[in-house]
Amino acid sequence: QVQLVESGGGVLQPGGSLRLSCAASGFTFRSFTMHWVRQAPGKGLEWVAVISEDGSNQYYSDAVRGRFTVSRDNSKNTLFLQMAFLGGEDTAVYYCARGDFYGSGTYLHYWGQGTLVTVSS
Amino acid sequence: EIVLTQSPATLSLSPGERAILSCRASQSVSRYLAWYQQKPGQGPRLLIFDASNRATGIPARFSGSGSGTDFTLTISSLEPEDFAFYYCQQVSHWPPENSFGQGTKLEIK
Repeated sequence: QVQLVESGGGVLQPGGSLRLSCAASGFTFRSFTMHWVRQAPGKGLEWVAVISEDGSNQYYSDAVRGRFTVSRDNSKNTLFLQMAFLGGEDTAVYYCARGDFYGSGTYLHYWGQGTLVTVSS
Repeated sequence: EIVLTQSPATLSLSPGERAILSCRASQSVSRYLAWYQQKPGQGPRLLIFDASNRATGIPARFSGSGSGTDFTLTISSLEPEDFAFYYCQQVSHWPPENSFGQGTKLEIK
């Protein structure tokens, strides 16, 4: 079955950097766009970034553009999110999700369980 | 930028009752709308795509309707496991920045 397992979260100080990973299994990883979505404590869902199937295209939200980089290693079925210049507003659970094209649009059908990033001095 | 507004923020109902959740878009998203369910400590689960199509394995008590700017998620008869947060998301614009509504908490009365 489809599994997405995030890792790499932790506690760090403002201005720091962190790399998150998302290990995928149970499907042909290279055939799907992959997304990062985050959720601040007690808040709603916020889309962060997406990467195309072959990794050649990436898009970011305004909140993270220039600080975060999404990448993937299709040979290892792994998605990454490199985060830099972190601030308190980046404190959140970070989810990876698979983009599935259904009907007329790309929807996020499968999600991981998330990894918590806490930015605090 | 399209803004999705969900209402109510909190809905208090009892098991067996019907739940009606609303999602309104600031401009038309055609039928490019999804509904997700999220329980504490879990990632979201896709319920509905293209406004009215149930995702694989979703019980028939969940139904979606609407097009353009007004959408509804209906749960015909609430089961105990349905009490959770619900989010709508529009996918009419790419990339899907700011694409989620703020959520509705469905709680037990």
